[in-house]
Amino acid sequence: DGGITQSPKYLFRKEGQNVTLSCEQNLNHDAMYWYRQDPGQGLRLIYYSQIVNDFQKGDIAEGYSVSREKKESFPLTVTSAQKNPTAFYLCASSHLAGGKETQYFGPGTRLLVL
Amino acid sequence: GESVGLHLPTLSVQEGDNSIINCAYSNSASDYFIWYKQESGKGPQFIIDIRSNMDKRQGQRVTVLLNKTVKHLSLQIAATQPGDSAVYFCAETPSGSARQLTFGSGTQLTVLP
Repeated sequence: DGGITQSPKYLFRKEGQNVTLSCEQNLNHDAMYWYRQDPGQGLRLIYYSQIVNDFQKGDIAEGYSVSREKKESFPLTVTSAQKNPTAFYLCASSHLAGGKETQYFGPGTRLLVL
Repeated sequence: GESVGLHLPTLSVQEGDNSIINCAYSNSASDYFIWYKQESGKGPQFIIDIRSNMDKRQGQRVTVLLNKTVKHLSLQIAATQPGDSAVYFCAETPSGSARQLTFGSGTQLTVLP
């Protein structure tokens, strides 16, 4: 059963704590992305990776870090430097086919601050 | 800066009626457009896409119309059902690559019984 999985579904962070959100895909997609979604707003790009061992900052990368050691995995760490981390985090992946590259999303992780 | 926006933040329709959700974009270089559906607490789900060399594309109960002259995109849902209630996002990219995808803020569609 192919798809994108994110875990956990809910995550609680204490002050000054780093937390890591998991994203795994078995679609054999080259590119992976992390977005942040705040209530009533669209998606904002945090980081993306086009290939293993390479990634680029998106529009709101400050306070976040990522790694891409495997094609299937793109974990996101929310560091203590991110002062307003409460949001819904979405992971996506894509591949180029027929001249188009469509992003497909995981189910999301909701991060809450204690 | 460039933006993708929606004309209406909310839309209510009667079950069985047709729904039309609109989206305006400002980047004249955009050439690939996608509509996503997002149910509460879930990730966005791909509905339909269209390239700029087309004016219309049809799927199952959905049609996307593209008017490049006025930079306007619409999603039509035929015979709207309760399961269609969700937030609908348009997204666009200027290069045909999803890596520069820009999302609108979304329209909340509510289907009334």
